[in-house]
Amino acid sequence: ETGVTQTPRHLVMGMTNKKSLKCEQHLGHNAMYWYKQSAKKPLELMFVYNFKEQTENNSVPSRFSPECPNSSHLFLHLHTLQPEDSALYLCASSQDFYGQGASPLHFGNGTRLTVT
Amino acid sequence: GQNIDQPTEMTATEGAIVQINCTYQTSGFNGLFWYQQHAGEAPTFLSYNVLDGLEEKGRFSSFLSRSKGYSYLLLKELQMKDSASYLCAVRDKGYSTLTFGKGTMLLVSP
Repeated sequence: ETGVTQTPRHLVMGMTNKKSLKCEQHLGHNAMYWYKQSAKKPLELMFVYNFKEQTENNSVPSRFSPECPNSSHLFLHLHTLQPEDSALYLCASSQDFYGQGASPLHFGNGTRLTVT
Repeated sequence: GQNIDQPTEMTATEGAIVQINCTYQTSGFNGLFWYQQHAGEAPTFLSYNVLDGLEEKGRFSSFLSRSKGYSYLLLKELQMKDSASYLCAVRDKGYSTLTFGKGTMLLVSP
């Protein structure tokens, strides 16, 4: 149990579908993140929210749309995805965005997305 | 730009010691992290270094040399459960966003 819960664990969707990934953290953290993990590539930062405000959008295509209604919940809305978007999508949280000391990221188990 | 290098794969024997190296070139530096990730699971935080030297935590130790842009993770008394991917990540400013290396897949054999 990491304190960060992601649903669903697995998702298969067609290129014309619309789906959403959900993340919830029970750690009382103020910052939340979406990362993409593809085979043989480093973890890629997609979006950052600090106190519900988006602080970073790392040049992510508009077919990915994040939403952060409060500090505990984060969504990633998906539409008209491409097969190359198939990857593991990881949500993470940290105490705050402007990290002092360790302030490590706590990750969820991820959603394994397959786009057909 | 940011560049973090670590070996792709390593193998070791149960009970042995293994050192996983990480070199980095970043525009700034505000800490280096090591994470462990088992297949199909979340990356979990192992260690944090911001000053030069060795940080020891049980069987795991992490070393940092800022002048050389170099870190290593040392795993002692290897166990089968240590088979996992080990991710090196750098925080380049006073922010919590991290830049990750590609990870080192460690396979521990009997």
